[in-house]
Amino acid sequence: AQSVTQLGSHVSVSEGALVLLRCNYSSSVPPYLFWYVQYPNQGLQLLLKYTTGATLVKGINGFEAEFKKSETSFHLTKPSAHMSDAAEYFCAVSEGSGNTGKLIFGQGTTLQVKP
Amino acid sequence: DTEVTQTPKHLVMGMTNKKSLKCEQHMGHRAMYWYKQKAKKPPELMFVYSYEKLSINESVPSRFSPECPNSSLLNLHLHALQPEDSALYLCASSPPDLNTGELFFGEGSRLTVL
Repeated sequence: AQSVTQLGSHVSVSEGALVLLRCNYSSSVPPYLFWYVQYPNQGLQLLLKYTTGATLVKGINGFEAEFKKSETSFHLTKPSAHMSDAAEYFCAVSEGSGNTGKLIFGQGTTLQVKP
Repeated sequence: DTEVTQTPKHLVMGMTNKKSLKCEQHMGHRAMYWYKQKAKKPPELMFVYSYEKLSINESVPSRFSPECPNSSLLNLHLHALQPEDSALYLCASSPPDLNTGELFFGEGSRLTVL
């Protein structure tokens, strides 16, 4: 069975500092990997995704993530944090091919950005 | 139109009430989903409809009854709910090519059961 582990339920950075949110997955098949962001009282918005091809994936709002098969990781980074980045971030893996909609989510990481 | 629209945004109901949550998308997506999300937790899958047919029911109690009248609409009928059912209910849809796993989420309906 697939699973996702997000290291750190809460990450705090200063405005302008590097953002690093960690995600490790387990999967017996090539995974499809996603990062979603959720702002307070809103739904989930896709930040970026990895399906095939280039392992460094660029997303919206200056975020990027690198798929590292050897480390089973898909960490999310942003060079310079902005106050508006404060939100809940979920890493997710798609269960199997054909996509039944069974995204397996990590427990989430709350990003706090300090002025 | 790239939105998934959910109504109502907020709903308060008693344990004996019957209410419905509605979801609509006009992106031509043929799969639609209901997720339940408790505070500070990830979304949990409840139901999946594929081409208007129920394809997945994650052992959800029968007090939750989904309905997919057509490819653009998804309802969740609520009856005799419990206070622990209070949560954010998220609707999502996915494109006809299902292999990417990408879901498009609505903003959710926040349900409070008294």
